[in-house]
Amino acid sequence: DARVTQTPRHKVTEMGQEVTMRCQPILGHNTVFWYRQTMMQGLELLAYFRNRAPLDDSGMPKDRFSAEMPDATLATLKIQPSEPRDSAVYFCASATFTDTQYFGPGTRLTVL
Amino acid sequence: SQKIEQNSEALNIQEGKTATLTCNYTNYSPAYLQWYRQDPGRGPVFLLLIRENEKEKRKERLKVTFDTTLKQSLFHITASQPADSATYLCALDAGGFKTIFGAGTRLFVKA
Repeated sequence: DARVTQTPRHKVTEMGQEVTMRCQPILGHNTVFWYRQTMMQGLELLAYFRNRAPLDDSGMPKDRFSAEMPDATLATLKIQPSEPRDSAVYFCASATFTDTQYFGPGTRLTVL
Repeated sequence: SQKIEQNSEALNIQEGKTATLTCNYTNYSPAYLQWYRQDPGRGPVFLLLIRENEKEKRKERLKVTFDTTLKQSLFHITASQPADSATYLCALDAGGFKTIFGAGTRLFVKA
């Protein structure tokens, strides 16, 4: 049963610290998305990649967030420096040429 | 820009009844629309996709309609069960492989 995996599942850190979240997309999926979910804003698209190339990161605060795909099996989302307003659940999703997205379990980030 | 409206209030229904959830959008009609289910502490799970040239789609107890004139999709769960209790998200194609999600509607099915 192929699944998207995300690590860590939970992260508590202090303001100003660097946070790195990792995602392993489903093997063979060529599109990877990063979302952020909060009660106030719902599910927001931060960035996405197709065949490892970044297609759109307009939803991401560029000064502190960065997203990369070092290889086809790993996507990373980094926040440096982190701020309390970054506290949220971060989801990774992957897809093939179809429009269905398969979501990971999320990383719950708390910045104190 | 495209906006999606889903009932922010929770929907409470009795087991066995049909649950109907609404998704309205404000701008251009998307090429397709999707519905996802999200349980607490988990990522959204895909349920159904309907394209702009389709009026209705069914899958087991689920039915989705897509009215591009009204700019609305309805999501029905027939013979609802307590296990159907979850948050249901509407998602629209935003072009270029992007998808915009609505805030979701919480459904509670009482036994």
